[in-house]
Amino acid sequence: DVKVTQSSRYLVKRTGEKVFLECVQDMDHENMFWYRQDPGLGLRLIYFSYDVKMKEKGDIPEGYSVSREKKERFSLILESASTNQTSMYLCASSPRMNTEAFFGQGTRLTVV
Amino acid sequence: AQSVTQLDSQVPVFEEAPVELRCNYSSSVSVYLFWYVQYPNQGLQLLLKYLSGSTLVESINGFEAEFNKSQTSFHLRKPSVHISDTAEYFCAVSLNYGGSQGNLIFGKGTKLSVKP
Repeated sequence: DVKVTQSSRYLVKRTGEKVFLECVQDMDHENMFWYRQDPGLGLRLIYFSYDVKMKEKGDIPEGYSVSREKKERFSLILESASTNQTSMYLCASSPRMNTEAFFGQGTRLTVV
Repeated sequence: AQSVTQLDSQVPVFEEAPVELRCNYSSSVSVYLFWYVQYPNQGLQLLLKYLSGSTLVESINGFEAEFNKSQTSFHLRKPSVHISDTAEYFCAVSLNYGGSQGNLIFGKGTKLSVKP
């Protein structure tokens, strides 16, 4: 089975901290994604990557950056956390264009 | 721009009753279609997908969805729901053309609540 692992299920961080959310997939997928999920808004794409060291902005990239140094790992970085970044963050991967994505369990981030 | 609309944010239903969760999309190119399910405090799991071929697709737990190109819809149905089907359901599309990067566009979700 495809496994997408997010490093933390729950995180509490202070305003202004630099936050790293890590995601690892074990199936050699080309594509990886970071989504943010908020009640009533569904999932919104923050960034995605279709190859090592490649990244593309999604719908809501402001306040975030990403890093993909190895194919299996895709990191989401909050340069200076703010309370409006309190949310559920979901990482996903897919093997090629237009196939289904496989999701991690999510990281619930609270910024206080 | 592409978009996905899930017409109902919440659907309460009694156990063993039928249910339909509605999904419409807009796109200028052809699409692939997906339904995902999210149980409380978990990530998303693929429920079923339409890529090509038969417009009626089924999942292993009794759900089905039909791709209707003329109505740009992909409604999810189950003839008899169980308590365990209580979850949030997301409809998603990805674009079917060579330049697409394959990212999914999601609807806002429908919370299905099955009552005894």
